[in-house]
Amino acid sequence: DGGITQSPKYLFRKEGQNVTLSCEQNLNHDAMYWYRQDPGQGLRLIYYSQIVNDFQKGDIAEGYSVSREKKESFPLTVTSAQKNPTAFYLCASTPRGDRGRNEQFFGPGTRLTVL
Amino acid sequence: GQQLNQSPQSMFIQEGEDVSMNCTSSSIFNTWLWYKQDPGEGPVLLIALYKAGELTSNGRLTAQFGITRKDSFLNISASIPSDVGIYFCAGLLASGTYKYIFGTGTRLKVLA
Repeated sequence: DGGITQSPKYLFRKEGQNVTLSCEQNLNHDAMYWYRQDPGQGLRLIYYSQIVNDFQKGDIAEGYSVSREKKESFPLTVTSAQKNPTAFYLCASTPRGDRGRNEQFFGPGTRLTVL
Repeated sequence: GQQLNQSPQSMFIQEGEDVSMNCTSSSIFNTWLWYKQDPGEGPVLLIALYKAGELTSNGRLTAQFGITRKDSFLNISASIPSDVGIYFCAGLLASGTYKYIFGTGTRLKVLA
């Protein structure tokens, strides 16, 4: 069954701790993305990666880090430098090779709460 | 970051009514996507559009890629209670990047 998985669904963190959110896809998509969603706001791009071992900052990258060592995996680390990390985090992927097919698919999300 | 202008922000409708919503921008896009999101869940892709003027249907949903490539419309016909949720658009800029721009969403509530 193809798709995008994110784990865990709910995550609690104490202030000052780093935490890593997992994102895995078996769609053979080249591009992967991390977004943050806050109540009443649209999705905001944190980081994106168009190819393995390469990634670019999005609009709100401060306090976050990523890696792309494998095509199917794009973990996001929320560091203690992120001032307001409580949010719903969404991972997405897109087939990059054919620009005629640019559907972006999302995972189920991880809700992070800082205590 | 850039966001698309999406309207209306919210709407209450009676079951059986048709619904229309749209997204506009000053930028040109080469792809428009429409999603539905339920509370606490990831967005689900409803319709993808790739050509100016393209009209695509998915069941009771119909979406159009604006002829100017700066806007898109989504219509839901004969709404039912399970249509409730947040609908939002996304556009892929024609500038060559792979960054998607998102609308702020339309919250739909259907009254039985």
